[in-house]
Amino acid sequence: GESVGLHLPTLSVQEGDNSIINCAYSNSASDYFIWYKQESGKGPQFIIDIRSNMDKRQGQRVTVLLNKTVKHLSLQIAATQPGDSAVYFCASASWGKLQFGAGTQVVVTP
Amino acid sequence: EPEVTQTPSHQVTQMGQEVILRCVPISNHLYFYWYRQILGQKVEFLVSFYNNEISEKSEIFDDQFSVERPDGSNFTLKIRSTKLEDSAMYFCAIPYGTANYGYTFGSGTRLTVV
Repeated sequence: GESVGLHLPTLSVQEGDNSIINCAYSNSASDYFIWYKQESGKGPQFIIDIRSNMDKRQGQRVTVLLNKTVKHLSLQIAATQPGDSAVYFCASASWGKLQFGAGTQVVVTP
Repeated sequence: EPEVTQTPSHQVTQMGQEVILRCVPISNHLYFYWYRQILGQKVEFLVSFYNNEISEKSEIFDDQFSVERPDGSNFTLKIRSTKLEDSAMYFCAIPYGTANYGYTFGSGTRLTVV
């Protein structure tokens, strides 16, 4: 059948493996970056953030890396679990407004 | 992390009808945001609202849209005459914290225009 909307890139990862999700941003003025997780039918859920004066930040099982030179952001999830299956969005913030990326569908397989 | 409640969770409306989407944060906030997500697409900024005034709006937020804070706690998004292309998830968001500047999103209202 016909599909509607953008086709999200999909990352398939085995349970227990590490996941790396990448994101490129375009606004050089962005000073704050956030990763969100969105499960089906729910709103975006905050995972981790990083300011532009940092290049790495770690949370519980998650690490965000920021490369301002190439305007690239990545999210690393350690020991991926079935509950990590969701769509992941990066967002850049400038003057309080968020600009979201297209999202990556993460599918965790047993 | 503050909670944000949105009502209704799902609304079906006929094209041309007016809809009002509601957002209620647990604690008082001066800043509110509305975002929209068309099925399968990315989340898009609509409007930011500070201290009872619109502080910024996107190209999507045309004259058919309006925002209000009718009673000091509820925060509404009104679409005056809905179009088929208004079908989407609508999320309100509030900023929280002074160190993180993160944003808490509500669970969203799924609007279906038929």
